[in-house]
Amino acid sequence: DAGVIQSPRHEVTEMGQEVTLRCKPISGHNSLFWYRQTMMRGLELLIYFNNNVPIDDSGMPEDRFSAKMPNASFSTLKIQPSEPRDSAVYFCASSLGIRGGYTFGSGTRLTVV
Amino acid sequence: GQQLNQNPQSMFIQEGEDVSMNCTSSSIFNTWLWYKQDPGEGPVLLIALYKAGELTSNGRLTAQFGITRKDSFLNISASIPSDVGIYFCAGPTGNQFYFGTGTSLTVIP
Repeated sequence: DAGVIQSPRHEVTEMGQEVTLRCKPISGHNSLFWYRQTMMRGLELLIYFNNNVPIDDSGMPEDRFSAKMPNASFSTLKIQPSEPRDSAVYFCASSLGIRGGYTFGSGTRLTVV
Repeated sequence: GQQLNQNPQSMFIQEGEDVSMNCTSSSIFNTWLWYKQDPGEGPVLLIALYKAGELTSNGRLTAQFGITRKDSFLNISASIPSDVGIYFCAGPTGNQFYFGTGTSLTVIP
């Protein structure tokens, strides 16, 4: 298996632009998680899906952030409009149940200027 | 949410030295996970612990599930330069894992 695949690896955008981050989970995994990592706040859970259904989006910072999972093999995290304080590394992770933990992707480093 | 505190926050050690770090939670867990994050990559699972008192090894790494179920420990023996990175503990509540604040390890050759 290729693992969790995220794209792009790096994204530089201007303030106010829309940003879309993509994730392909491991085939067969039924849960998908979006995390944001910054020096100040560490790893923060933004939202997670179980069987393609959003279960907990309480970590989504504000309405500018939205996430979708149209099918078991694809998810997007969208920021519109983007702001400089959104600059961070965004990770997608997937799992089958909870016992075995999560498998993380390599992340998308977002810079908003 | 859950509070998972890791100590120390950062470590600078000489190659060959042993490393000890710990993680404490504000509540009881029935599972503890330890992850390592290499620079520029996502966290990778190192060791999973499922029972209080359990001691599990993975090569030079050894992790223990604390008896109180509110803490866990990770030891690395004979450190090498590729051990550099951030080490995270994680514990579950409900259907999600909470991650600790991380211990950043630097190994000086």
